[in-house]
Amino acid sequence: GAVVSQHPSRVICKSGTSVKIECRSLDFQATTMFWYRQFPKQSLMLMATSNEGSKATYEQGVEKDKFLINHASLTLSTLTVTSAHPEDSSFYICSAPSGLAGTGELFFGEGSRLTVL
Amino acid sequence: GDSVTQMEGPVTLSEEAFLTINCTYTATGYPSLFWYVQYPGEGLQLLLKATKADDKGSNKGFEATYRKETTSFHLEKGSVQVSDSAVYFCALRAAGTALIFGKGTTLSVSS
Repeated sequence: GAVVSQHPSRVICKSGTSVKIECRSLDFQATTMFWYRQFPKQSLMLMATSNEGSKATYEQGVEKDKFLINHASLTLSTLTVTSAHPEDSSFYICSAPSGLAGTGELFFGEGSRLTVL
Repeated sequence: GDSVTQMEGPVTLSEEAFLTINCTYTATGYPSLFWYVQYPGEGLQLLLKATKADDKGSNKGFEATYRKETTSFHLEKGSVQVSDSAVYFCALRAAGTALIFGKGTTLSVSS
């Protein structure tokens, strides 16, 4: 199946710093990627839809200036958590659809666990 | 909007027991339905899927049937193993949109 790779898998940073998470589709092109956030023992909440060559679409309640998303190529989307604070600590997961079918499965990265001290 | 409701956990079973995790959905169109599994500390893996009514998805002994009349997609396995211990997410995807997940059900299987 299609492979999505995320990096880094774990990151610890100090409060006030920015952290960039990369999401790559390794063997297919993805014009769209989705970013999710998962709190401990909870479900995945969609944060934003990343579109290659255009602005990301953010879900209600997600701060655009806090979570910067860039989809610069057909295989790479990045999420930058700016001026991170302890409440931003979470598990961030990216995903991408394969193929052209709009209702097909999404392939998920391994996730990135962010801890803000 | 579209939504997924799945049974609350945790579900605790002995090895070789029968498993059912209930999942119902609300959708305006004709979504595809999925079960994903998440092992501790890992990302999500697709377990099975169904794209239209009456389709049955199956994988690794797990099964689920897309029931449009009851808007359900219950997950079943006849004989669970310790290695099946994980969190299971029911999800739907309408055309061109992201996956919408249920809250997840934690399964613990003891030997």
